[in-house]
Amino acid sequence: AQSVAQPEDQVNVAEGNPLTVKCTYSVSGNPYLFWYVQYPNRGLQFLLKYITGDNLVKGSYGFEAEFNKSQTSFHLKKPSALVSDSALYFCAVRESNAGKSTFGDGTTLTVKP
Amino acid sequence: SAVISQKPSRDICQRGTSLTIQCQVDSQVTMMFWYRQQPGQSLTLIATANQGSEATYESGFVIDKFPISRPNLTFSTLTVSNMSPEDSSIYLCSVERGGDRGDEQYFGPGTRLTVT
Repeated sequence: AQSVAQPEDQVNVAEGNPLTVKCTYSVSGNPYLFWYVQYPNRGLQFLLKYITGDNLVKGSYGFEAEFNKSQTSFHLKKPSALVSDSALYFCAVRESNAGKSTFGDGTTLTVKP
Repeated sequence: SAVISQKPSRDICQRGTSLTIQCQVDSQVTMMFWYRQQPGQSLTLIATANQGSEATYESGFVIDKFPISRPNLTFSTLTVSNMSPEDSSIYLCSVERGGDRGDEQYFGPGTRLTVT
């Protein structure tokens, strides 16, 4: 069975500071990992994914995430937060032989000027 | 990427009635999903709809309440039947393009349903 946890309901950071949104997962086999973002009153958008290869993946809007197999984590990061990054972020995991992804409960990121 | 449209974008319905939500994709896709989401909350998967086969429903969701059609590779409908206020939610259509389990999902803009 696959599962994913986003331990923080909310993350608050000041503009210009680095941000981290945490995600841990549990799978039986090899994981496929995804981050999605939902801006206010807008649809969900794909940000980035890890399938295989380099543990550090880069995505849209300057975001990146690091796959850590030993810690079963896939934290989302950005070196310098923007107010416009304020949104709801979802982590998702999928076992390599699974028919669907499992989404986390979401983390609301608020970036204050 | 894939561009997804949903109709209607929102509706207010009376209890006991049914609403059919349409999902149209700009390209052929293998897998389509239907989710429910309360504003600002997590996603709940209702069912997976693959073309040419019966939809697969998640625990707590049944075909009589949420019948799904998938007549071709670019279109699907979800019907919310015999609605009650508890069905008030945002309903999202989502797709994966190629059937590769490493593919990301694309989401429609959602249908905001209010049942009175």
